[in-house]
Amino acid sequence: DAGVIQSPRHEVTEMGQEVTLRCKPISGHDYLFWYRQTMMRGLELLIYFNNNVPIDDSGMPEDRFSAKMPNASFSTLKIQPSEPRDSAVYFCASRPREEYEQYFGPGTRLTVT
Amino acid sequence: DAKTTQPNSMESNEEEPVHLPCNHSTISGTDYIHWYRQLPSQGPEYVIHGLTSNVNNRMASLAIAEDRKSSTLILHRATLRDAAVYYCILLKTSYDKVIFGPGTSLSVIP
Repeated sequence: DAGVIQSPRHEVTEMGQEVTLRCKPISGHDYLFWYRQTMMRGLELLIYFNNNVPIDDSGMPEDRFSAKMPNASFSTLKIQPSEPRDSAVYFCASRPREEYEQYFGPGTRLTVT
Repeated sequence: DAKTTQPNSMESNEEEPVHLPCNHSTISGTDYIHWYRQLPSQGPEYVIHGLTSNVNNRMASLAIAEDRKSSTLILHRATLRDAAVYYCILLKTSYDKVIFGPGTSLSVIP
């Protein structure tokens, strides 16, 4: 199994541009999570999906952030417009229905200049 | 929500055992104790979890106090690869959100 796949691994963009981060969860996993990690705030849960349906988006910082899961094998996290304070490492994770263990991807390091 | 308290950092010598403590004095009877770790430049990875009894797996052991107000993650022989941030987290069910605290940064000295 390839594990959770994220792309791109690194993204550098200018303030005001749209950024799209992508995630492919492990096949068969019902839950998908998006996290953000910064030095100041640590690892924060942004949103999670169950069977492609968003369950809790209370961690999404503001309307500039949106996430979709059009099918069981793909999810996107979009920031529009991006700002320098969005610079962080964004992780995607997935897990099976009845298990506790979350499997994390390698992350996308986003730098907004 | 019940919270956990961990030391900010710890050091260990290579090939020696490491005991990583976690205090959770407000734990409820249905809270499971979970441990994740995050190696440098990687996403977190699950280590172990337990409810009341001590647990062992290939990565580590989890020792849970009788009153469940504290627990200890035990790495039996630390290697350089074990240098990571270790997170202690309480979850009632598999449907709970995993909330990561600051964790304990473990350094392993060759």
